[in-house]
Amino acid sequence: AQKVTQAQTEISVVEKEDVTLDCVYETRDTTYYLFWYKQPPSGELVFLIRRNSFDEQNEISGRYSWNFQKSTSSFNFTITASQVVDSAVYFCALSEARYGGATNKLIFGTGTLLAVQP
Amino acid sequence: GAVVSQHPSRVICKSGTSVKIECRSLDFQATTMFWYRQFPKQSLMLMATSNEGSKATYEQGVEKDKFLINHASLTLSTLTVTSAHPEDSSFYICSARGTDEGDNSPLHFGNGTRLTVT
Repeated sequence: AQKVTQAQTEISVVEKEDVTLDCVYETRDTTYYLFWYKQPPSGELVFLIRRNSFDEQNEISGRYSWNFQKSTSSFNFTITASQVVDSAVYFCALSEARYGGATNKLIFGTGTLLAVQP
Repeated sequence: GAVVSQHPSRVICKSGTSVKIECRSLDFQATTMFWYRQFPKQSLMLMATSNEGSKATYEQGVEKDKFLINHASLTLSTLTVTSAHPEDSSFYICSARGTDEGDNSPLHFGNGTRLTVT
């Protein structure tokens, strides 16, 4: 069965600090996809990144970076020089690959509430 | 592009009444839409998957007679909470995947509907 664990319920940092959000997943499939979404106080979910299980390269996008380690089943997310606008709930999610018209479900972790203080 | 509009954003209803929530893909066609429910400070739980022109597939533990889903067109899915009770109060979020998008492409989320049953 699929499972996504975000052990950090809440994190509080001061602006300009770096912060890492942890994500550990479980799946029996060899092909799967991992996602990070941001949910600001307004409620909508904003897509940040998708990574497939065959691509272990780390990715950097501006102040955001992701570290994917299959050996530890982790897909951690780091925000460098955090800003107040980064305050939100961040969700890690897992989707097992299905093809040929089958519907892929997105399973979410419990989320990490990040509060960036000015 | 890929905008999903959810309406209403907030609704308050009396116990025993029914409430309909609409999810529209504004600039793309969506064969598949997903309905999630989110309790305060908790993760998003998948309720059901709806495919245009066919019956929705409900997750285990979700009452299909209580949460009626209709996906009548490629741009509209509706969730009707029938005979609502206070325990149905929650944040409901829909998401959609475009017909020309891959099976594991990121989902596009609506802004959610805050339902309060008094």
